[in-house]
Amino acid sequence: GENVEQHPSTLSVQEGDSAVIKCTYSDSASNYFPWYKQELGKRPQLIIDIRSNVGEKKDQRIAVTLNKTAKHFSLHITETQPEDSAVYFCAASIGTNAGKSTFGDGTTLTVKP
Amino acid sequence: DAGVTQSPTHLIKTRGQQVTLRCSPISGHKSVSWYQQVLGQGPQFIFQYYEKEERGRGNFPDRFSARQFPNYSSELNVNALLLGDSALYLCASSPHRGYGYTFGSGTRLTVV
Repeated sequence: GENVEQHPSTLSVQEGDSAVIKCTYSDSASNYFPWYKQELGKRPQLIIDIRSNVGEKKDQRIAVTLNKTAKHFSLHITETQPEDSAVYFCAASIGTNAGKSTFGDGTTLTVKP
Repeated sequence: DAGVTQSPTHLIKTRGQQVTLRCSPISGHKSVSWYQQVLGQGPQFIFQYYEKEERGRGNFPDRFSARQFPNYSSELNVNALLLGDSALYLCASSPHRGYGYTFGSGTRLTVV
């Protein structure tokens, strides 16, 4: 089955700096890659996603890049703010069925004021 | 508009007992997926239901079962509970089996 690895497991940045989280996947059939933000004690919330026919997608301070050849994708957060502090999860799904996603183990991002 | 609701929010069970967790999807959503999230790890896929039929099953033992009702709500049942079943159980719903899944806040199960 699909395997998703996520790095780093923890990331600490100064407010205003950029943060990058990287994920690799194993199954070349995967073609949908969402990113979720989970604050302590709360539900995972979709923040951005990318499909395999696109190499990059941006939404304000958040961007995701995808390299299908290398089977890796990354989340980029610019101008970080303390409220960006949370656990971020990447995921991959085979075909278009996001309901059967394989998740990475998460990155705890801390933004220091 | 209500989001995905799960009940109960917390519960404590003893080893060997059985538990039923409930999920009400967003109105109009026909697909429900269940995930187990152990502390410090990402969610792990358990089941997916669409139009009341099982459409996928993750790598979980037969002690885990689920069903979806005509109103698209869903139940997850776990029999013969083990300590290792302690986790946050998340339900997610979508209008279809494709994109756009919204998670509920989960049920925190503690097995003692």
